[in-house]
Amino acid sequence: EPEVTQTPSHQVTQMGQEVILRCVPISNHLYFYWYRQILGQKVEFLVSFYNNEISEKSEIFDDQFSVERPDGSNFTLKIRSTKLEDSAMYFCASSEAGAGNGYTFGSGTRLTVV
Amino acid sequence: GEDVEQSLFLSVREGDSSVINCTYTDSSSTYLYWYKQEPGAGLQLLTYIFSNMDMKQDQRLTVLLNKKDKHLSLRIADTQTGDSAIYFCAESISGGYNKLIFGAGTRLAVHP
Repeated sequence: EPEVTQTPSHQVTQMGQEVILRCVPISNHLYFYWYRQILGQKVEFLVSFYNNEISEKSEIFDDQFSVERPDGSNFTLKIRSTKLEDSAMYFCASSEAGAGNGYTFGSGTRLTVV
Repeated sequence: GEDVEQSLFLSVREGDSSVINCTYTDSSSTYLYWYKQEPGAGLQLLTYIFSNMDMKQDQRLTVLLNKKDKHLSLRIADTQTGDSAIYFCAESISGGYNKLIFGAGTRLAVHP
């Protein structure tokens, strides 16, 4: 069964450093998403991406965040200057056509900012 | 506003049925989903229901939707220890690019 692949599975970074979280969505999917889950809290929407541009973003997704699809397969989330409160599990997801048969989520990247 | 609420914890005996409940606020929801999260793992789609349906059954899983009350439930028949996990209810909001709004998750504990 096709999978969404995320790397790394766990990243530790110092406060103020830049991090790039990587995702390989399912190849025929058109919509891409990033969500995050702070430990013990809800899964929160960050951003959706379609047709090579951001289609929607949440209040969390401020100027410190950016997304990119640098080639035909990867989808990245960059945090420019990490803060302690950015520590969370970050999930990438993709879908073929928005809603409907659901999104496929990756296994997540646990980001720890120290 | 968009909000999804779930009870936080449910404990059941192995072999019994589990019922996990969820309420949502946005009447424009198009699809409603149940995701399962095992410890340290990602979000696994269990099942979903379109908003014009009342019920959907998929093997041991039954989803009931009361659109009038904005209430969604997931029934797991013959609950097994492998069903122990956190179950998230989520709604897909129409009009955008179908972002998902998640509940806080219900931790299901199955004991012998």
